[in-house]
Amino acid sequence: EAGVTQFPSHSVIEKGQTVTLRCDPISGHDNLYWYRRVMGKEIKFLLHFVKESKQDESGMPNNRFLAERTGGTYSTLKVQPAELEDSGVYFCASSRLQRLSGNTIYFGEGSWLTVV
Amino acid sequence: AQSVTQPDIHITVSEGASLELRCNYSYGATPYLFWYVQSPGQGLQLLLKYFSGDTLVQGIKGFEAEFKRSQSSFNLRKPSVHWSDAAEYFCAVASQYSGGGADGLTFGKGTHLIIQP
Repeated sequence: EAGVTQFPSHSVIEKGQTVTLRCDPISGHDNLYWYRRVMGKEIKFLLHFVKESKQDESGMPNNRFLAERTGGTYSTLKVQPAELEDSGVYFCASSRLQRLSGNTIYFGEGSWLTVV
Repeated sequence: AQSVTQPDIHITVSEGASLELRCNYSYGATPYLFWYVQSPGQGLQLLLKYFSGDTLVQGIKGFEAEFKRSQSSFNLRKPSVHWSDAAEYFCAVASQYSGGGADGLTFGKGTHLIIQP
């Protein structure tokens, strides 16, 4: 069974440009999450999809970030326009169930974004 | 609000030596506690988790962690480290009622483990 896959693994863009990160969750996982780790900081929650619906997007930093999950399958996270402080690692995760008990959240390898 | 402190940013251990990574949490009720590892080029992998019951939890790769409520700690241990254990380790806490969203996993800043030959 394939794990959570993310693309691209690394991206270097200039300030003001646009970047789109993609996440393919484990097949059959309705729950999809995006997290971000800024250098030297904690991994922080961004948002949570249940199928194609945004269950919780309270962690999205501002309106330059747009997440979609077409048809409840893969998800994209677009940053437009990118700023220097957006640099970091963006993790995608998925799980079969929504609760933590009796459930496991599987993380991808992360997409490393550098804005210069 | 829940929080996690990993006081050591970097730890260097000789191969074959024992390891203990510290984690302290702040949470008002009974927490769920986790340790994740990220090896170079890999995703975050769950090492172990504590929900209830025995406070000494066994995980993968020979790791264990002990929940100490009186100290609000969940330290990760391994009796003998291998060079392949070099990675970044993250402790996380969650409410027993939460999912994986904003009220879910709260991570520490991570501890970078370096293995000396």
